[in-house]
Amino acid sequence: DSGVTQTPKHLITATGQRVTLRCSPRSGDLSVYWYQQSLDQGLQFLIQYYNGEERAKGNILERFSAQQFPDLHSELNLSSLELGDSALYFCASSSLGSYNSPLHFGNGTRLTVT
Amino acid sequence: EDKVVQSPLSLVVHEGDTVTLNCSYEVTNFRSLLWYKQEKKAPTFLFMLTSSGIEKKSGRLSSILDKKELFSILNITATQTGDSAVYLCAVYLQGAQKLVFGQGTRLTINP
Repeated sequence: DSGVTQTPKHLITATGQRVTLRCSPRSGDLSVYWYQQSLDQGLQFLIQYYNGEERAKGNILERFSAQQFPDLHSELNLSSLELGDSALYFCASSSLGSYNSPLHFGNGTRLTVT
Repeated sequence: EDKVVQSPLSLVVHEGDTVTLNCSYEVTNFRSLLWYKQEKKAPTFLFMLTSSGIEKKSGRLSSILDKKELFSILNITATQTGDSAVYLCAVYLQGAQKLVFGQGTRLTINP
């Protein structure tokens, strides 16, 4: 158990809808990362937050947004969902947000858009 | 564009064999290279390598980094069926503060 908690585990929704994925980092970790994993593209970095502030952005669509709250939990919001958004969404946390600290991953939220 | 390439993409061996997984990278501002094992769900951390030529070892797994030739290998000796998983290599980029993953090597160990 990595200590990173993601909810829900599974989500099934229709195209055009909006969903929110939630992540609680390991105790003491200030950095949260979001990754998307689909069958054909591997793990793609979406966005990183450090102590409430956005630190780095990857290939995140404009329809997606995220935030990190004062208690350090993070939410990833996906809107106007398309079939291609179906994937496993992982949250990871690290203690310093730096290269010296490995990322620890949650078990992911499997999103299915029908 | 930052790139991490793993080979082979898929490997099937018999229990007891030794395997070597490869990871090469072309990135700006390399800082460290990490190996993860992914079974059904979350990738689990195996090694972090920052210096060339220093082998990291954990039981039957070991890994080494060559920063001159821009690659790393992950060795698994005396493989067991429980080693079956996808092994992911990732490079941490200083400045950009993100971990870039390779596509993974799917390792299958047959009894």
